[in-house]
Amino acid sequence: DSGVTQTPKHLITATGQRVTLRCSPRSGDLSVYWYQQSLDQGLQFLIQYYNGEERAKGNILERFSAQQFPDLHSELNLSSLELGDSALYFCASSASGESGNTIYFGEGSWLTVV
Amino acid sequence: QQQVKQSPQSLIVQKGGISIINCAYENTAFDYFPWYQQFPGKGPALLIAIRPDVSEKKEGRFTISFNKSAKQFSLHIMDSQPGDSATYFCAASSRRGATNKLIFGTGTLLAVQP
Repeated sequence: DSGVTQTPKHLITATGQRVTLRCSPRSGDLSVYWYQQSLDQGLQFLIQYYNGEERAKGNILERFSAQQFPDLHSELNLSSLELGDSALYFCASSASGESGNTIYFGEGSWLTVV
Repeated sequence: QQQVKQSPQSLIVQKGGISIINCAYENTAFDYFPWYQQFPGKGPALLIAIRPDVSEKKEGRFTISFNKSAKQFSLHIMDSQPGDSATYFCAASSRRGATNKLIFGTGTLLAVQP
């Protein structure tokens, strides 16, 4: 158990809909990351937050947005969903946002868009 | 320049054999190179990591070899066991930009046959 908690574990939704994925980082970790894992794209970095502020942005679509709240939990919002958004979404956390700091992954949220 | 190239895509090894997975990178700003292990239905978990100031790091049966001039690094699993069957990802991060985001390789599916 990494200590990173993600909900929901699985969800199925229709195209055009909006979903919110939730993440609680490890106790004391200030940095939260979101990754998307799909068969054809591998593990893709989406976005990083550090203590409530956006720190880095990766290949995140404009239809997707994220935030980190004062209690350090984070949410990833996916809107206008398309079939291609079906993937495993991982949240991860680390104590700091600096290179070399161990990043711990949650078990992911399986999103299926039908 | 942000890519990390990983090979092979899949690997079958006999129990007790040596598993070798290779990665290459272009970005000379990368300064942290972790390997993650992922079992089906689980999130990636840190296995071992290395910084470019050393050429080798060993932890139990797992060794990272690092060649800075060639911009390559590899994971060696000695005495491979069926329980090592998983997907392995190399990754890299850079101190530049004050972010700890990991750029992942495409993954290697390892099957250790009993």
